[in-house]
Amino acid sequence: EAQVTQNPRYLITVTGKKLTVTCSQNMNHEYMSWYRQDPGLGLRQIYYSMNVEVTDKGDVPEGYKVSRKEKRNFPLILESPSPNQTSLYFCASRHNRGNSYEQYFGPGTRLTVT
Amino acid sequence: GQQVMQIPQYQHVQEGEDFTTYCNSSTTLSNIQWYKQRPGGHPVFLIQLVKSGEVKKQKRLTFQFGEAKKNSSLHITATQTTDVGTYFCAGPSNNNDMRFGAGTRLTVKP
Repeated sequence: EAQVTQNPRYLITVTGKKLTVTCSQNMNHEYMSWYRQDPGLGLRQIYYSMNVEVTDKGDVPEGYKVSRKEKRNFPLILESPSPNQTSLYFCASRHNRGNSYEQYFGPGTRLTVT
Repeated sequence: GQQVMQIPQYQHVQEGEDFTTYCNSSTTLSNIQWYKQRPGGHPVFLIQLVKSGEVKKQKRLTFQFGEAKKNSSLHITATQTTDVGTYFCAGPSNNNDMRFGAGTRLTVKP
C-alpha cells in the first residue's frame, strides 16, 4: 500500500530535550516536506527536500533541522524543543517531475513540549 | 513573501445547503491545489487546477481557478454530513516551497 508513515504519532517531552520525528514514504517520491499545523494558521511549511541531499527552508524553519540521506526518509529534528513548538506535524511527499503537485500526507505527529 | 489567504475561516450550514470557500494569493500561481482534512485526520488531495479560468467538477464539488491565476474557489452543492472537514487551498511559490491557506472549517447540521 502506498503510504507515508510518521513516528511517533504522539509525543510529550520537556524543553531542551532533543527529539527526532521520522518520516518514510514507499512511493519513490523525490519531493518530501514537513509542515506544522496550528489553529487558525493552517499548514505552514518547515523544510522541504527536492531530492536526496537537497533541502531548503520553508516558511517557518527556525528551531528545526532536517536531513535527506535516503530517498525514502526525511527525519525532522528538534535540537532543543521549546513550548512554542507544540503543534501537529505532518510529513508529505510527491513526485518532482511533470506538472502534478499532488502531495501525500502522513497521519501526523502531535507534539507537546512542556 | 507570497501569501495565500482563505475565507471564511468557519462555515456552518444545514444539510442540503450550498457551501463556498475562497482562496486568494498575493502572487500569480502556476497551479493551485485543494485538500480536505477530516476531523482528526490528515490532508487528502482533492484536485489541482493549472489553466487560467479552469473549472473542474467532482460530483457535487466545483473548483475554479481565476483568470489571473491568483484566486480560486471550491463550491459544494447540497452539502451532506460526509462533507464535514477543513478545506485547504495551496500553491507553490517561485522557490518550490508550498503555501497553504489557513483553511475553511465546514460543519454540517443534519
